[in-house]
Amino acid sequence: DAGVTQSPTHLIKTRGQQVTLRCSPKSGHDTVSWYQQALGQGPQFIFQYYEEEERQRGNFPDRFSGHQFPNYSSELNVNALLLGDSALYLCASSQGPHAYNSPLHFGNGTRLTVT
Amino acid sequence: QKEVEQNSGPLSVPEGAIASLNCTYSDRGSQSFFWYRQYSGKSPELIMSIYSNGDKEDGRFTAQLNKASQYVSLLIRDSQPSDSATYLCAVLNAGGTSYGKLTFGQGTILTVHP
Repeated sequence: DAGVTQSPTHLIKTRGQQVTLRCSPKSGHDTVSWYQQALGQGPQFIFQYYEEEERQRGNFPDRFSGHQFPNYSSELNVNALLLGDSALYLCASSQGPHAYNSPLHFGNGTRLTVT
Repeated sequence: QKEVEQNSGPLSVPEGAIASLNCTYSDRGSQSFFWYRQYSGKSPELIMSIYSNGDKEDGRFTAQLNKASQYVSLLIRDSQPSDSATYLCAVLNAGGTSYGKLTFGQGTILTVHP
């Protein structure tokens, strides 16, 4: 039973560039959430996708966008990269968007470094 | 005031002792509460969830919730060196919608020394 898979595992980009991160949810899960975790901090909610729509969004600028595909996989896009975007990006999946009865399962993350 | 605050670490306990991790939250509308464990360089792993006031036990772990005090804690009995990790408190708040987001605390680093 495959868990949440993310790609790539590591990425180095230059300021101003754009990046796309990918996530495949755990088998049986249809909801994907993205989190940003800076070093020494807890994860910060970016947004959640369910039924191919963004359902809820955290306090992140419009440079952060996403997409969910019919097979439930998801992409996170970040435009005009800043040094402060350097972080571990975590994808989490759940069965349904109501996390109170469907705890999140996290992938291993993508470590993004912006130079 | 941060939405979710955890007691500042790092916390160091001897093997076999009880480790106590604390968390407070600011939003009274919060519905569900979770403890995640994160080993260095790894992703968070759910270890406990609690939804109603009181205690919930699972093996060596006990979660305690007091909604009136807006407080949730995690006790780890008979601590083992393998418990050494960062423990993240997470709070679910649907924010008036039916879709929830988790708000995490900054984490408490626990070290269990032999």
